[in-house]
Amino acid sequence: ETGVTQSPTHLIKTRGQQVTLRCSSQSGHNTVSWYQQALGQGPQFIFQYYREEENGRGNFPPRFSGLQFPNYSSELNVNALELDDSALYLCASRPNPTVSYEQYFGPGTRLTVT
Amino acid sequence: DQQVKQNSPSLSVQEGRISILNCDYTNSMFDYFLWYKKYPAEGPTFLISISSIKDKNEDGRFTVFLNKSAKHLSLHIVPSQPGDSAVYFCAASGRTGNQFYFGTGTSLTVIP
Repeated sequence: ETGVTQSPTHLIKTRGQQVTLRCSSQSGHNTVSWYQQALGQGPQFIFQYYREEENGRGNFPPRFSGLQFPNYSSELNVNALELDDSALYLCASRPNPTVSYEQYFGPGTRLTVT
Repeated sequence: DQQVKQNSPSLSVQEGRISILNCDYTNSMFDYFLWYKKYPAEGPTFLISISSIKDKNEDGRFTVFLNKSAKHLSLHIVPSQPGDSAVYFCAASGRTGNQFYFGTGTSLTVIP
């Protein structure tokens, strides 16, 4: 059983550009969440997908969007990048959310916006 | 608005002694609490959890205590080992588990 993987590891973008980050969940995990972790802060919840539908969203603007695919992979898209979007982006998967609250995190993607 | 707070950014403990990490929350609707450990360049790893219907949960060297009236939880590590040196995050969720709130983390250093 493979763990949660994320790509790319690091990414540098320019303000105003768009970025897509990718996550591959653990097999059988139908729930995926995305988090933003700024330096010195805890992970901030962006949104959660369950069976390809968004079922929870944190306090992030609409330019943060996502997709979840049937093969347990997911994407985080950020449009019109701002300097404050520079952070570590983590995805986390878990099995049926009615059964378990425990999330399995990937290593993250470090995004730098210049 | 930080609904989960860890007021101690760092903690140093001698090997073999007890480590106590604290976490406070403001939302009385939180139903489930978790602790994660994070090493550099890795994602957080689940450590232990507790439901709001309990006040204690134990797993080996790790015990989590929940005081609902004080909106406070703590993680006890006994005995502490150098490999426990990491950043510890507490997290909370409502009953639906559709959103999780994390604290800012406490960096634990266990001195050999």
